[in-house]
Amino acid sequence: QQPVQSPQAVILREGEDAVINCSSSKALYSVHWYRQKHGEAPIFLMILLKGGEQKGHDKISASFNEKKQQSSLYLTASQLSYSGTYFCGTASGGSNYKLTFGKGTLLTVNP
Amino acid sequence: KAGVTQTPRYLIKTRGQQVTLSCSPISGHRSVSWYQQTPGQGLQFLFEYFSETQRNKGNFPGRFSGRQFSNSRSEMNVSTLELGDSALYLCASSWGRDTEQETQYFGPGTRLLVL
Repeated sequence: QQPVQSPQAVILREGEDAVINCSSSKALYSVHWYRQKHGEAPIFLMILLKGGEQKGHDKISASFNEKKQQSSLYLTASQLSYSGTYFCGTASGGSNYKLTFGKGTLLTVNP
Repeated sequence: KAGVTQTPRYLIKTRGQQVTLSCSPISGHRSVSWYQQTPGQGLQFLFEYFSETQRNKGNFPGRFSGRQFSNSRSEMNVSTLELGDSALYLCASSWGRDTEQETQYFGPGTRLLVL
């Protein structure tokens, strides 16, 4: 089952914050976040493992609520370089060796 | 360290033909996953290989197949191409011990257009 991402698209001005959500109908083992710019390969941002951890990376952080089967990606003080499509990939564990990706959230940061 | 490479980068085929795409993982990585990306659908999982064995397969028809060689390079094949197979095909590599908690590194993709 494909995770559901929201919103589908968001437009920001430089310096504004954004939150992207990823919800699954299945129990999750891990959540992976990627950013893809037009015409380029998806770039890894971070992995969160079950345990409800939160991770940070410069001004981009994420949380993982195992109970709610949700993850959120937080982008603070957005920069022009943050523009792109953000994907969450989820894994359910059990040696499935598979990530299931959401349809993506298109983030546009304007000057 | 060289990244994931995919060849060819662009391909134009006609309906009914078959196509083979190639993926060379990062040195030392033994897992290769393949994804199909179409507008609005995100990345759809095709299959994953580790040590020449397919460990999982997505919900795609049998026309989509793949294999992995002893040097971890992987190929995917699509036979009897249909218009709907037009997409960006991405491969990703990781160490492979537990891909669900490993970073997957994506290649630049092969853009396939079926006419």
